[in-house]
Amino acid sequence: GEDVEQSLFLSVREGDSSVINCTYTDSSSTYLYWYKQEPGAGLQLLTYIFSNMDMKQDQRLTVLLNKKDKHLSLRIADTQTGDSAIYFCAENEGQNFVFGPGTRLSVLP
Amino acid sequence: DVKVTQSSRYLVKRTGEKVFLECVQDMDHENMFWYRQDPGLGLRLIYFSYDVKMKEKGDIPEGYSVSREKKERFSLILESASTNQTSMYLCASSTQDNSPLHFGNGTRLTVT
Repeated sequence: GEDVEQSLFLSVREGDSSVINCTYTDSSSTYLYWYKQEPGAGLQLLTYIFSNMDMKQDQRLTVLLNKKDKHLSLRIADTQTGDSAIYFCAENEGQNFVFGPGTRLSVLP
Repeated sequence: DVKVTQSSRYLVKRTGEKVFLECVQDMDHENMFWYRQDPGLGLRLIYFSYDVKMKEKGDIPEGYSVSREKKERFSLILESASTNQTSMYLCASSTQDNSPLHFGNGTRLTVT
């Protein structure tokens, strides 16, 4: 079945760039998503990329998609303490969403 | 902005009680979903609905039922709560196939 994998933890210093990586298995995914979850809250849609795109930029966020390797990354420029959260990668085909386990990003002062 | 509202942030219930978790969305979305989130297990789909009075089982429907009498409201029902249903419950909605899910803030349920 479909599977989405992410590393579980990432620590960066405030002001540095963060890169969160994700691999997926379903080559028929139409969109790939990044969600952010702050403590005690639901998932907030950060950004998403259509599967025929290579890159999408939105302010401090850059999404890169390598469809051949089924690899998705999220780069956060100038990482701030408010970026500390769990980041989920997700893929879908229709309404069947598959989420990764989430990467806990810790931002050190 | 899409708003998905879950009626309670925290709930504490006793084993055997009937529990209702309510979710309302304000964007006229066709699709609504209930997930549970547990450490180490990620998000797992319990039930979803693509129209009023329609429901489909997700990956872990056992012990749960749902109700969708109105388009904007999707209720999750635990007929007889058990301790293994202690979890974070997340409601989501979307407008159509291949559109993003929009989540509520979650309900943290503890069954004692």
